[in-house]
Amino acid sequence: DTAVSQTPKYLVTQMGNDKSIKCEQNLGHDTMYWYKQDSKKFLKIMFSYNNKELIINETVPNRFSPKSPDKAHLNLHINSLELGDSAVYFCASSQGGGNSVETQYFGPGTRLLVL
Amino acid sequence: AQSVTQLGSHVSVSEGALVLLRCNYSSSVPPYLFWYVQYPNQGLQLLLKYTSAATLVKGINGFEAEFKKSETSFHLTKPSAHMSDAAEYFCAVSPGGYQKVTFGTGTKLQVIP
Repeated sequence: DTAVSQTPKYLVTQMGNDKSIKCEQNLGHDTMYWYKQDSKKFLKIMFSYNNKELIINETVPNRFSPKSPDKAHLNLHINSLELGDSAVYFCASSQGGGNSVETQYFGPGTRLLVL
Repeated sequence: AQSVTQLGSHVSVSEGALVLLRCNYSSSVPPYLFWYVQYPNQGLQLLLKYTSAATLVKGINGFEAEFKKSETSFHLTKPSAHMSDAAEYFCAVSPGGYQKVTFGTGTKLQVIP
C-alpha cells in the first residue's frame, strides 16, 4: 500500500539516451512534484503539477518534460541524457491546490546513473 | 527570496545524549518552516512544521523545534538520541501560497552507541 511509488527504482543508461520515470500516488492528493537530489544531497524542486496543470516550473533544461495524464500520476521524461543528470529523482505529492504549507509525501526515489 | 542554512553537515551524538540540529532561515515574508528526515535509500518524511501558530512545534519521534524570529532560527532538538535517529535531516522554508519549498543542504546525524 505504498502511498507514493516510483518506477524504476534504479536506472543505468548511456549518454544520449531518452528515459522516463513514472510516479503514482494513491493518497488522493491534487498536487505532485518532481525533485532532483544531487550527490551532495542538495534537494531542488524541478516541477509541480496541480490537477494536471503545471504550477511550478523551475529553470531546468527543456530536455526534461513532465507529463501528468491524471492527478494521480506525474511522469518525467528526459531526452538526450547527460552525465550531469545523474542524481536521485524524487516524486512527491500534497493535498490542496499546491499551497506550500501542505505536507509533502515523498516517494522512495529513482537513482539515475548516466554513463 | 528565501533560503535556509544548516550549520554542520555532520553531527555525531552518543546514544541518550541531546540532539541539536541547527537551521537558520532567510525570508522576505513571514516564513513557514519544516524539518524533514531521510533514512538511507528512502524518500523524505515530515518531522514537523511551523505555520505561525505556536512557536514551539512538536513533531514525530520525540523531536521538537522552536521558531525564534529574533534569531531567524528553527533548530531541531530531541532530549535523548536513539540509534534509530541516525539519518539525514533537512530544514526547509516556504513563503506560503503557491510558492516552492526551498530545502537546506542537510545534516547527517550519526548516533554512537
